[in-house]
Amino acid sequence: KAGVTQTPRYLIKTRGQQVTLSCSPISGHRSVSWYQQTPGQGLQFLFEYFSETQRNKGNFPGRFSGRQFSNSRSEMNVSTLELGDSALYLCASSWTPTSGNEQFFGPGTRLTVL
Amino acid sequence: KQEVTQIPAALSVPEGENLVLNCSFTDSAIYNLQWFRQDPGKGLTSLLLIQSSQREQTSGRLNASLDKSSGRSTLYIAASQPGDSATYLCAVSNNNDMRFGAGTRLTVKP
Repeated sequence: KAGVTQTPRYLIKTRGQQVTLSCSPISGHRSVSWYQQTPGQGLQFLFEYFSETQRNKGNFPGRFSGRQFSNSRSEMNVSTLELGDSALYLCASSWTPTSGNEQFFGPGTRLTVL
Repeated sequence: KQEVTQIPAALSVPEGENLVLNCSFTDSAIYNLQWFRQDPGKGLTSLLLIQSSQREQTSGRLNASLDKSSGRSTLYIAASQPGDSATYLCAVSNNNDMRFGAGTRLTVKP
């Protein structure tokens, strides 16, 4: 069974640009969560999607958005990139929403903003 | 607001030693606690999941315990190996999100 996949694995952008990251969950999983990992702040929750609906959202500005498609694949978008957005972006999938279920993580997308 | 703390931040041990990693959380109203391993620049690998109604889980050389009332969990690694070198993270889930500790960076020396 394939694991969680994320594309692209690496991205380099400049300030002011926008970026879209993609996550394909494990087959059958309907919940996808996104996290940002930086050396200074550690792992922080961005948002969670279940059945194409945003279920929860972390404390991030509106420049960070996401969506989920009917096949449970998810995308997150960051607009007007800032230097501080450089991070490893991780997505995780589970059968149902976060509570009570084991989360499986993808390898991450390393975003560098110059 | 849930806060998760992991002690120590870094640990270096000789191969073969048994060791304990600690995780504490401030809000005992959790659904579960999960331990992960992360290798440099990589994603997270799930090691053990403990539901709030459970006291411990075991997988191979790993044993994780949970004491919800005191807000603590421990990850015990038996007979450590150089391949165990990684950062270990604990995370607690409630109905809204998953909160992570900053991790313990473990180095096992041959």
